[in-house]
Amino acid sequence: EIVLTQSPGTLSLSPGERATLSCRASQSVSSNYLAWYQQKPGQAPRLLIYGASSRATGIPDRFTGSGSGTDFTLTISRLEPEDFAVYYCQQYGSSPRTFGPGTKVDIK
Amino acid sequence: QVQLQQSGPGLVKPSQTLSLNCAISGDSVSSTSAAWNWIRQSPSRGLEWLGRTYYRSNWYNDYAASVKSRITINPDTSKNQFSLQLKFVTPEDTAVYYCARGGFCTGGSCYSLFLFDYWGQGTLVTVSS
Repeated sequence: EIVLTQSPGTLSLSPGERATLSCRASQSVSSNYLAWYQQKPGQAPRLLIYGASSRATGIPDRFTGSGSGTDFTLTISRLEPEDFAVYYCQQYGSSPRTFGPGTKVDIK
Repeated sequence: QVQLQQSGPGLVKPSQTLSLNCAISGDSVSSTSAAWNWIRQSPSRGLEWLGRTYYRSNWYNDYAASVKSRITINPDTSKNQFSLQLKFVTPEDTAVYYCARGGFCTGGSCYSLFLFDYWGQGTLVTVSS
């Protein structure tokens, strides 16, 4: 099973700042099948990025995914008030498909 | 626009069966490019994929090893919905349960059935006597 580790656990930033979130896999993610989801309190997760770097439909271009192999990054170029949430990575290349524990981005 | 509407009880007694339904609008449970999933979320286990049903000339199911002996996911084509049954529940099954569509097509390409692009609203299920 591929274990995903996300860091930091919590990121405290101000609106307008840049956020950099890390997701590290215990072994190489097949075909870079790595996705990112955003979850706000009381809501279901929302797909942001798939294939490590492709934005899902309707996702603003301030969200950028990058990385390959075992190291992946989600960057939010300028935080908007609605971006404060928890972000999860997911690998979907190997069975069982697994999620990371999440990074909370909160307001400083 | 795809919408998934969940229904079912929020309280289940230990050793009994958890049952939830997920009604689909804007797509079909019989779609040959999607799979219909149940995922749960708890503080102790995080996000955990439980299983799916999908149609490819025949109906197929896949289940997570952790629940394989206790879970059933069934499609209902007459109501365009699918269901989750989890038997012999314990307090460790307490979680928010989500239904989700897996797989989508865009720009002429179709993507993994394990990419979840539409989710239900979630149901908090508490296992307690």
